[in-house]
Amino acid sequence: GAGVSQSPSNKVTEKGKDVELRCDPISGHTALYWYRQSLGQGLEFLIYFQGNSAPDKSGLPSDRFSAERTGGSVSTLTIQRTQQEDSAVYLCASSLDRGGGYTFGSGTRLTVV
Amino acid sequence: KQEVTQIPAALSVPEGENLVLNCSFTDSAIYNLQWFRQDPGKGLTSLLLIQSSQREQTSGRLNASLDKSSGRSTLYIAASQPGDSATYLCAVRDQAGTALIFGKGTTLSVSS
Repeated sequence: GAGVSQSPSNKVTEKGKDVELRCDPISGHTALYWYRQSLGQGLEFLIYFQGNSAPDKSGLPSDRFSAERTGGSVSTLTIQRTQQEDSAVYLCASSLDRGGGYTFGSGTRLTVV
Repeated sequence: KQEVTQIPAALSVPEGENLVLNCSFTDSAIYNLQWFRQDPGKGLTSLLLIQSSQREQTSGRLNASLDKSSGRSTLYIAASQPGDSATYLCAVRDQAGTALIFGKGTTLSVSS
């Protein structure tokens, strides 16, 4: 596609429920990144996919967070048993290759009530 | 561990002023540096990407410089306009294949 697409744009969920956030990167971009931006905080790196290599999961805050990328394209970030502190904007970015500039999606605003 | 700092955290200027936003990073061995703009409630828009071998990049009224040895980058905005009001984020990549590390941003307000 023309840009990085994320869905949903907004998600309100009850504490304890699982949520799935989707990212559709730019066609042909081999690298995909997930970040989290909490209110008043900077961008926090979560996970990075590069081609068919094993993902860099070093930023995932707990084992409730997981992500997969199917067919080297679409990625899904899953948060299990959501907590109120998970409320944030989740941003996805892709780049042409492992060293290229990032293009970000518009993000998913997650609110856990 | 790489850390990125942006100063000032907030800046208010009248329309027409030239201004400089500062970014510093603790480890000078970077692969590239990227400046972004974020409007309230929106995602990030890439402004300029500077590779480690480059000194500066320009796009319209924006000019970004990079001094790797001192661990600094500046974003120069000429003839500021109210539409430039946004948060500006600086991010560095240590090596190809690693994730960008972001500063906390400078929130710019340009009044007409």
